[in-house]
Amino acid sequence: GQQLNQSPQSMFIQEGEDVSMNCTSSSIFNTWLWYKQDPGEGPVLLIALYKAGELTSNGRLTAQFGITRKDSFLNISASIPSDVGIYFCAGLVRGSNYKLTFGKGTLLTVNP
Amino acid sequence: GAGVSQSPSNKVTEKGKDVELRCDPISGHTALYWYRQSLGQGLEFLIYFQGNSAPDKSGLPSDRFSAERTGGSVSTLTIQRTQQEDSAVYLCASSSTHSTNEKLFFGSGTQLSVL
Repeated sequence: GQQLNQSPQSMFIQEGEDVSMNCTSSSIFNTWLWYKQDPGEGPVLLIALYKAGELTSNGRLTAQFGITRKDSFLNISASIPSDVGIYFCAGLVRGSNYKLTFGKGTLLTVNP
Repeated sequence: GAGVSQSPSNKVTEKGKDVELRCDPISGHTALYWYRQSLGQGLEFLIYFQGNSAPDKSGLPSDRFSAERTGGSVSTLTIQRTQQEDSAVYLCASSSTHSTNEKLFFGSGTQLSVL
């Protein structure tokens, strides 16, 4: 089946720093999504990307759908303590309109 | 309710016992999903319900796992004869329309611990 390789697995940063994480796959994805999961909660959608090359922002978050359709990145600028959590990439492959494939997540810790 | 509701939030059981996990989706959402999240892992697809269509059960790991959705709303995930490797967070999600099924709204999950 499809696999998403998400990196890094974890990050420890200082408040105010910028963060970048990415996902790659050997398969082509038609949709890329980025979710954030707080402790004890379910993931919450941050950004959805639908076209190759698309660059989308949501506040301090920016994500891009790679031109090859096999990768995506998420940037967080000027991190704050509440950015702490697990960030997941997820994608829909061609031919599926519902079965998301998830990466293993990036655990982000922000030191105030 | 306003969001996806799951119960119980925590379940501790003994190996070999059966468990039932419940999910109440957002009212009006036709699509419902179950995912499993093991420690340090991504979300693993288990099963998908869409309206009155036959569910996609392709992610269920064994025949000990089953799920049903009654009346197009509440769903129950049942695990029979639980094993220690079943310990995980079981997440339910729902979405509103067929064309945007990727926009899932997740519940807070049920943390299952099998002793």
